[in-house]
Amino acid sequence: KQEVTQIPAALSVPEGENLVLNCSFTDSAIYNLQWFRQDPGKGLTSLLLIQSSQREQTSGRLNASLDKSSGRSTLYIAASQPGDSATYLCAVLRGTSYDKVIFGPGTSLSVIP
Amino acid sequence: GAVVSQHPSWVICKSGTSVKIECRSLDFQATTMFWYRQFPKQSLMLMATSNEGSKATYEQGVEKDKFLINHASLTLSTLTVTSAHPEDSSFYICSARDYRGSYEQYFGPGTRLTVT
Repeated sequence: KQEVTQIPAALSVPEGENLVLNCSFTDSAIYNLQWFRQDPGKGLTSLLLIQSSQREQTSGRLNASLDKSSGRSTLYIAASQPGDSATYLCAVLRGTSYDKVIFGPGTSLSVIP
Repeated sequence: GAVVSQHPSWVICKSGTSVKIECRSLDFQATTMFWYRQFPKQSLMLMATSNEGSKATYEQGVEKDKFLINHASLTLSTLTVTSAHPEDSSFYICSARDYRGSYEQYFGPGTRLTVT
């Protein structure tokens, strides 16, 4: 059974710092991994998707890496801004049929001005 | 990216009534949609997987007679909370998977349900 964990559960950093969020999964047989952002009371916004054959994806100040063999992914946020404050969730998809996405519990990020 | 909409964005209803929530994929066809609920400061809990043209698959512990799911077309799935009670108050989010290559999952903005 796939289990996804995220460390840390919460993080508070001053504006401008670079930071790393961690995601671990127990079953390396995944199809893809997605990072999402959720603002309070809102739905989820997809940030980055990494296919199992890829090692990393980049979008602006965000960089996500994937090491399938060790069951780990990291989300790197450069030059953090107060607007980055949100909960960040990672999710893994096992297969392409009707498999469901398994979510981690999330990391709550607060960027202090 | 693709867009998934939900309607309504928030609803208040009285205990014992039923509430229907719609989830639409606006610019792609979604053979599979997912319904989640989320309690404050908790992660998403998958309730059911909705497959177009067939019965939904419910997660363990989710009452299928209480949470009716209908996926009648490739762009629309509905969740009906029947005989709602205050404990059903929650944030309900749907998502749809885009099968055009990346299998990326897109989420709706959520529906805040309050049962009084």
